[in-house]
Amino acid sequence: EVQLLQSGGVVVQPGRSLRLSCAASGFTLGDYSMHWVRQAPGKGLEWVALIHWDEDSTSVKGRFIISRDVDKNSLYLQINTVRPEDSAFYYCAKVGRPMAPIREDYFKDWGQGTLVTVSS
Amino acid sequence: QSVLTQPPSVSGALGQRVTISCTGSTSNIGSRYDVFVHWYQQRPGTVPKLLIYGENNRPSGVPDRFSASKSGASASLAINGLQAEDEADYYCQSYDSSLTRLLFGGGTKLTVL
Repeated sequence: EVQLLQSGGVVVQPGRSLRLSCAASGFTLGDYSMHWVRQAPGKGLEWVALIHWDEDSTSVKGRFIISRDVDKNSLYLQINTVRPEDSAFYYCAKVGRPMAPIREDYFKDWGQGTLVTVSS
Repeated sequence: QSVLTQPPSVSGALGQRVTISCTGSTSNIGSRYDVFVHWYQQRPGTVPKLLIYGENNRPSGVPDRFSASKSGASASLAINGLQAEDEADYYCQSYDSSLTRLLFGGGTKLTVL
């Protein structure tokens, strides 16, 4: 059974950095592209970052850095110089097909979400 | 404003059929290359759930009351025989070749009357 277990909620001051984690089990992390999606309270879903299954490429919005450790079966998202508008639930998501091109990606499995609150 | 446009809200009575549209452009849904539209359901306070993927495929456990279609630069999600449990937010998702990234529609809130 696929499981994506995310780190707990965090409150961070504007301008600081933070790293979110997502522990994967039930599949081989290196075979699947992984994404981060966020959702501000009461708002829609917004794609944030991708790490391609072969790790040849990553794609991120702005101040985000996505990485993974296949030995630890974990995915990470670092957010630098956080802003109040970064306050949201952050979800890690596994795509549906192994070793697929990004144009075919869809989000089959989701973590439970991590609430990031940016506040002084 | 989202690149993929969905109506903010739709409603329907129990047992009725509703459709939710998702309108894009030639760089995403209407691309000359194979680009699929996928659909997600998010009930209040829960994690999004994959509803339809690819050319109208349903993950295990999703009832066949849900179906999807695509024509040109638009896609639609149809829900037949509305049930109270269908009340949720629905999102379309696709790939944009100009932006070279995945993107979501703005979401549609379905109210079951």
